[in-house]
Amino acid sequence: EAQVTQNPRYLITVTGKKLTVTCSQNMNHEYMSWYRQDPGLGLRQIYYSMNVEVTDKGDVPEGYKVSRKEKRNFPLILESPSPNQTSLYFCASQLGGQRDTQYFGPGTRLTVL
Amino acid sequence: AQSVTQLGSHVSVSEGALVLLRCNYSSSVPPYLFWYVQYPNQGLQLLLKYTSAATLVKGINDFEAEFKKSETSFHLTKPSAHMSDAAEYFCAVSEGPGNTGKLIFGQGTTLQVKP
Repeated sequence: EAQVTQNPRYLITVTGKKLTVTCSQNMNHEYMSWYRQDPGLGLRQIYYSMNVEVTDKGDVPEGYKVSRKEKRNFPLILESPSPNQTSLYFCASQLGGQRDTQYFGPGTRLTVL
Repeated sequence: AQSVTQLGSHVSVSEGALVLLRCNYSSSVPPYLFWYVQYPNQGLQLLLKYTSAATLVKGINDFEAEFKKSETSFHLTKPSAHMSDAAEYFCAVSEGPGNTGKLIFGQGTTLQVKP
């Protein structure tokens, strides 16, 4: 089944404790993105990747890191989480063109205390 | 810069009634437009998309949307609401020119369906 998977689905942590949210897609897509969803703001892009070893900032990159060492994986790293990073996070993948559909993972709900 | 505005953060309809969710966009280049639905505790699922072919786009679950360039709108409709349509709906435009893999989303509209 074609899908985007994320782990963990739920995470409660404390300020400053490094964490990684994994994302994997099995559709051989070139593009992958991370978004955060906050009430009343819709989804905003954090980082994106156009291919292996090619990443760039989205609209809200502060406090986040990403890497793309393999085509299928695109982990999101919070080196020193803060409470304002409490949010719902989605990973997405896309074949390559602007008109191509983005496929979303199930989401990771992160709470930083 | 491109943007999307969804009019109405909450819409309530009775089961069997017409569903109309409004979306207006701003774009300096020909837009690619999308409607996604998010059911509780799930990711986003594509309902339909406009990619410069037919202006009336049909999607899953009897949803459709019409691209109106003169009004810069891409409203979502469904003739008869079902209880299972209760969810949050997002309109989005694909950023361009050039592909950054970014969708620019509206704020979302929560659809409530009353029995």
